[in-house]
Amino acid sequence: QSVLTQPPSVSGAPGQRVTISCTGSSSDIGAGYDVHWYQQLPGTAPKLLIYGYTYRPSGVPDRFSGSKSGTSASLAITGLQAEDEADYYCQSYDSSLSDYVFGTGTKVTVL
Amino acid sequence: QLQLQESGPGLVKSSETLSLTCTVSGGSISGSSFYWGWIRQPPGKGLEWIGSVYYSGTFYKQSLKSRLTISLDTSKNQFSLKLSSVTAADTAVYYCARQYYYGSGSYILPSFDYWGQGILVTVSS
Repeated sequence: QSVLTQPPSVSGAPGQRVTISCTGSSSDIGAGYDVHWYQQLPGTAPKLLIYGYTYRPSGVPDRFSGSKSGTSASLAITGLQAEDEADYYCQSYDSSLSDYVFGTGTKVTVL
Repeated sequence: QLQLQESGPGLVKSSETLSLTCTVSGGSISGSSFYWGWIRQPPGKGLEWIGSVYYSGTFYKQSLKSRLTISLDTSKNQFSLKLSSVTAADTAVYYCARQYYYGSGSYILPSFDYWGQGILVTVSS
């Protein structure tokens, strides 16, 4: 039921760069609404990783960065580390549903 | 450091009402700066926003609106969730979280910046 589409999985070797896309529509990202990103380590609650497309909360390494292009947003992880293995979710607002919406989620695997 | 903790029954019978409470410590839930929300995650699946409450109102996921009540208890620094007529599809880990606006503007959204650890609620037949 999510309106924000993410790839189910991405993988990379330690030190590499991976990107996760979050594709929306004209009623959410395309309408100009914010996108936030969350990291969920196995068996734990989600943690805010990026807010307002590009801002990092205190304590989040600068290896994590966000961007926007049209009706999509992206999360990039550079210098991939074993501790980055987790599920990642984008989040925005859908004006046609009047709901906050999460992306479908992406599992990052460190090879 | 702000902390949130969910509490409530871990097992609810089908057709009954699921009731959860989120206790906030390390900060006040009063005031206009923050919203307080509930998010759930069915086993092995993704996140779903359920609804949020703030000092002057509530807003709910449209598809759950008819079954949902979220309220604030400022005297206890808690907020609560009630979901009626539950079915197996409501089985999930339920998280409470704070929503915070980092700026102002029509398209600025509050992010969920603090989360509880989550509580698994199973709906049994």
